[in-house]
Amino acid sequence: ETGVTQSPTHLIKTRGQQVTLRCSSQSGHNTVSWYQQALGQGPQFIFQYYREEENGRGNFPPRFSGLQFPNYSSELNVNALELDDSALYLCASSLKREKGSEQYFGPGTRLTVT
Amino acid sequence: DAKTTQPTSMDCAEGRAANLPCNHSTISGNEYVYWYRQIHSQGPQYIIHGLKNNETNEMASLIITEDRKSSTLILPHATLRDTAVYYCIDGGSNYKLTFGKGTLLTVNP
Repeated sequence: ETGVTQSPTHLIKTRGQQVTLRCSSQSGHNTVSWYQQALGQGPQFIFQYYREEENGRGNFPPRFSGLQFPNYSSELNVNALELDDSALYLCASSLKREKGSEQYFGPGTRLTVT
Repeated sequence: DAKTTQPTSMDCAEGRAANLPCNHSTISGNEYVYWYRQIHSQGPQYIIHGLKNNETNEMASLIITEDRKSSTLILPHATLRDTAVYYCIDGGSNYKLTFGKGTLLTVNP
């Protein structure tokens, strides 16, 4: 157990709809990252938040957006869902420090877009 | 795209050491080497990381060559529960992890 929780566990949406996924970071962690994992592939970095500000973004369109709250919980929002958005969405929390920082992943939310 | 190269799959007998290799041909001086694993349908699990010295923790040992172009993750006594996809990643601290396809390690009884 990493102390990182995600909700919901599974979700089914229709193309064109919007979805919000939630993550609760490990206590004391100030950084949260989101990843998308398609079937058979490694996780792909979406973006990272540090102290409520976006701190880096991968190759994902603007319809993927996020929020980090003062209590270090986080949301991932995806607008105008497409079939290719079907994937496992993972959040990972970490404590930003100089000497490398391990990320602790939650169990993921399985999103299916029909 | 991932910057590391790993074998697609490996087998190991239960109780034996599992040695998983990784090539980091483009690693730069301030980039760390990270190892994660992912058991089917679960989130990735952090194993170990290092910069240039060998590291050991309760899960595994990490050996990094002097030129830092390759590393080896060692699971000293593999169990059936160690069957997973193992990812090696090099990257700056506190930033994105670029996962490749990893190595599927199968531990056989």
